[in-house]
Amino acid sequence: SQKIEQNSEALNIQEGKTATLTCNYTNYSPAYLQWYRQDPGRGPVFLLLIRENEKEKRKERLKVTFDTTLKQSLFHITASQPADSATYLCALDARANRLAFGKGNQVVVIP
Amino acid sequence: EAGVTQSPTHLIKTRGQQATLRCSPISGHTSVYWYQQALGLGLQFLLWYDEGEERNRGNFPPRFSGRQFPNYSSELNVNALELEDSALYLCASSLAFTQTKNIQYFGAGTRLSVL
Repeated sequence: SQKIEQNSEALNIQEGKTATLTCNYTNYSPAYLQWYRQDPGRGPVFLLLIRENEKEKRKERLKVTFDTTLKQSLFHITASQPADSATYLCALDARANRLAFGKGNQVVVIP
Repeated sequence: EAGVTQSPTHLIKTRGQQATLRCSPISGHTSVYWYQQALGLGLQFLLWYDEGEERNRGNFPPRFSGRQFPNYSSELNVNALELEDSALYLCASSLAFTQTKNIQYFGAGTRLSVL
C-alpha cells in the first residue's frame, strides 16, 4: 500500500541550530515533492517544491533534498528561530493532479 | 490580493444532519481542492474541481459531495453526518497544473463538530 512517513515525535531544537526533518514514501513515483508549513488552527502554507530531477533546492534558510532512489526527502531549517516553530508537511505528486500529504512533523525551537 | 476564504469558521451539527461548507479561491485560480484533516490522520484528499467539473475524488463515501460555481467558488456538502466526520475541512486553490506543478494555497478551514 502507499505510505508517506514523517516522524510523529516533535523535534525540539535549540535556537540557532539546524532542524532536519525526514519524509519517506512507499509505492509512489512522484514527479515532484512539496513542503508546507502549518500553524495551529491555520491551513498549510507552501514553502518549497523540488522536482524528481533536482537533488537540492534552497530558499533563504530552508533547504530540501530529494533522493528518488532512497524514496526520501530531507527538509532543513538552518539557524532556526522560535518563529519557525510549526508543523511541517511533505506532499507528494500522487498523479492525476493529486497531492498526497504526510501527517506532518512538529518542530519546537527553544529560545 | 485576497487569499482563499472559507466559511463558516466553525460549524456545529448533530448526527444525521447535513453540513454545507463554502470556499472562495484566489482570484484567477480555477482549481479547488477539498481536504479533511481529522485529529492524528493528516490531510485526506476529498475532492478536486476544475472549470466547474469534478475531476477526482478521494476514498470517501458518496454522502460527501460538492460543486464548483461559474465564479470558481465551491461548496462541500456532507449528508447524514456521523460523529467521525468531526474534523477541520480545508479548501485549497491553484492555477492550472501545467503552470505551477499543483502548488496549492489553503484557506484557514472550517471546523466541523458533529454531536
